[in-house]
Amino acid sequence: NAGVTQTPKFRVLKTGQSMTLLCAQDMNHEYMYWYRQDPGMGLRLIHYSVGEGTTAKGEVPDGYNVSRLKKQNFLLGLESAAPSQTSVYFCASRSWTGQTQYFGPGTRLLVL
Amino acid sequence: KQEVTQIPAALSVPEGENLVLNCSFTDSAIYNLQWFRQDPGKGLTSLLLIQSSQREQTSGRLNASLDKSSGRSTLYIAASQPGDSATYLCAVRRQGAQKLVFGQGTRLTINP
Repeated sequence: NAGVTQTPKFRVLKTGQSMTLLCAQDMNHEYMYWYRQDPGMGLRLIHYSVGEGTTAKGEVPDGYNVSRLKKQNFLLGLESAAPSQTSVYFCASRSWTGQTQYFGPGTRLLVL
Repeated sequence: KQEVTQIPAALSVPEGENLVLNCSFTDSAIYNLQWFRQDPGKGLTSLLLIQSSQREQTSGRLNASLDKSSGRSTLYIAASQPGDSATYLCAVRRQGAQKLVFGQGTRLTINP
């Protein structure tokens, strides 16, 4: 099992560009999450999904969109990147009955 | 609003010592509390999860305790090793909520 994987590992964007971060899990988990980690702010929830075809806003959703067309994938989109979105992005998943969240290795994003 | 605090922010101890990491939270209406380990440039690895009805959990040299009424949790590491060097994060999940609220973490260094 690969667990939770994230693509890409690192990306540099210019202000105004768009991109999509991909999260994939092979554990058949129902719940999936996107967090961002910033110095001094800790990890904060951006969006989450409780199942295929569903998404919901987290703590800091502005500037991001998500989609969950397949159960194993959760995509995070930035339509028009801003320097404030420079961060490390983590995806996580958990099962319907489980409580432990399993995290991916992260995507480091730099917006210039 | 739930706030999670971890003190100290950094800790350096010689190999072989037993040590305690602290986590405090402001809202006692939690569903569970989870301790994670994060290595530099890597994702989060779940170490222990304590349900709100439990007092402690153990895994190998790690023991986590929970005192919900006082809003505190501790992570005890016995016979520390250089491989234990990492940042340790605690996170709480409120009853009925999806998101985890994270502390800022304690950066632990074990000196050989």
